Amino acid sequence: AQSVTQLDSHVSVSEGTPVLLRCNYSSSYSPSLFWYVQHPNKGLQLLLKYTSAATLVKGINGFEAEFKKSETSFHLTKPSAHMSDAAEYFCVVSLLNDYKLSFGAGTTVTVRA
Amino acid sequence: DGGITQSPKYLFRKEGQNVTLSCEQNLNHDAMYWYRQDPGQGLRLIYYSQIVNDFQKGDIAEGYSVSREKKESFPLTVTSAQKNPTAFYLCASTLGGTGELFFGEGSRLTVL
Repeated sequence: AQSVTQLDSHVSVSEGTPVLLRCNYSSSYSPSLFWYVQHPNKGLQLLLKYTSAATLVKGINGFEAEFKKSETSFHLTKPSAHMSDAAEYFCVVSLLNDYKLSFGAGTTVTVRA
Repeated sequence: DGGITQSPKYLFRKEGQNVTLSCEQNLNHDAMYWYRQDPGQGLRLIYYSQIVNDFQKGDIAEGYSVSREKKESFPLTVTSAQKNPTAFYLCASTLGGTGELFFGEGSRLTVL
């Protein structure tokens, strides 16, 4: 079985400063890991995914995440926050051919002008 | 463009009524999912289907029912047995067991 813990329920940053969203996972096997973004009253959109290739994964809108097996972490970062980054972010873990994915509880990002 | 279409986007229901949420995809994906989202609680899995004419209960299936008669369609019925149905419902699909989900825009159900 796998599980995901997002360590911060809410993150507030100033526009132009770095963003860090933390995600730890537990899995008995090599997992696939994903970050999704959700704007209010919308569906989720894939930001990036890790599937056992490069440990540093680049995604859309300037986001990237690093898979650290020793720390069982998959933290999401962005060097410079933009107002449009205000949204909710979900970390998701999946095992190959396992149709039940595990979602973190989500992190709400607020960006201050 | 390929994608997932959920309808209606907003729905109001009186207590005791069943309501069906539609989910259609033209991505040729095998697997489809229904999630429920409540404020501050993330996404919870209601039902999922890996192939046509087959589906499995998720973590919170009580008070819900689904069908999968066509690959493209996975409707969700919220029955009167669901005690607290007011929520945001999200449909998703994926090609096989890759884990990369594609989501619809959601349906917001409010029980009056």
